[in-house]
Amino acid sequence: SQQGEEDPQALSIQEGENATMNCSYKTSINNLQWYRQNSGRGLVHLILIRSNEREKHSGRLRVTLDTSKKSSSLLITASRAADTASYFCAADQGGSEKLVFGKGTKLTVNP
Amino acid sequence: EPEVTQTPSHQVTQMGQEVILRCVPISNHLYFYWYRQILGQKVEFLVSFYNNEISEKSEIFDDQFSVERPDGSNFTLKIRSTKLEDSAMYFCASILSQETQYFGPGTRLLVL
Repeated sequence: SQQGEEDPQALSIQEGENATMNCSYKTSINNLQWYRQNSGRGLVHLILIRSNEREKHSGRLRVTLDTSKKSSSLLITASRAADTASYFCAADQGGSEKLVFGKGTKLTVNP
Repeated sequence: EPEVTQTPSHQVTQMGQEVILRCVPISNHLYFYWYRQILGQKVEFLVSFYNNEISEKSEIFDDQFSVERPDGSNFTLKIRSTKLEDSAMYFCASILSQETQYFGPGTRLLVL
């Protein structure tokens, strides 16, 4: 079974709208991290939420974590065309602290 | 702000050739990683490195792969005899401990 599965796989919205992406994971985690990747480029860290936290904010980003459901969501408010990218969640399972990534959500924000 | 750097940004090689991908992690970090991302697919863990030895490796990381931290700053990934299916973006990452994992910009490897 796969860790860090995001849905939807693709999301297309208009500028100014909110975008919500969800992530599910299978095993217990130390923390869950969200990353952004512009097409063919590197991974930019957005936010980290620890297993004992339920919600975290950073600018226009809001992340929630529900460890009972093994799920997390990333909300981008008042989206901009520049937010167009793929968004990945990555679960830190502890031990060597490797990250297990999901397949990502491809977000398109239309101007 | 400190960052992870990687060289080269792009590498084209012939099948069967050896390649070495280089990374300079953030200086006070303790854990180092290599991941890869085949085009259009998700990022996959290859190997983690701590205290000058491999702490965990995935099934992808077979005998053709090796890692080294030769001089206390560089962290390298060597592929001994490249295959077509090794074509991917390779990312290096580092962390201090149980914190944000910082990724480098990646090396795009193309095996012909």
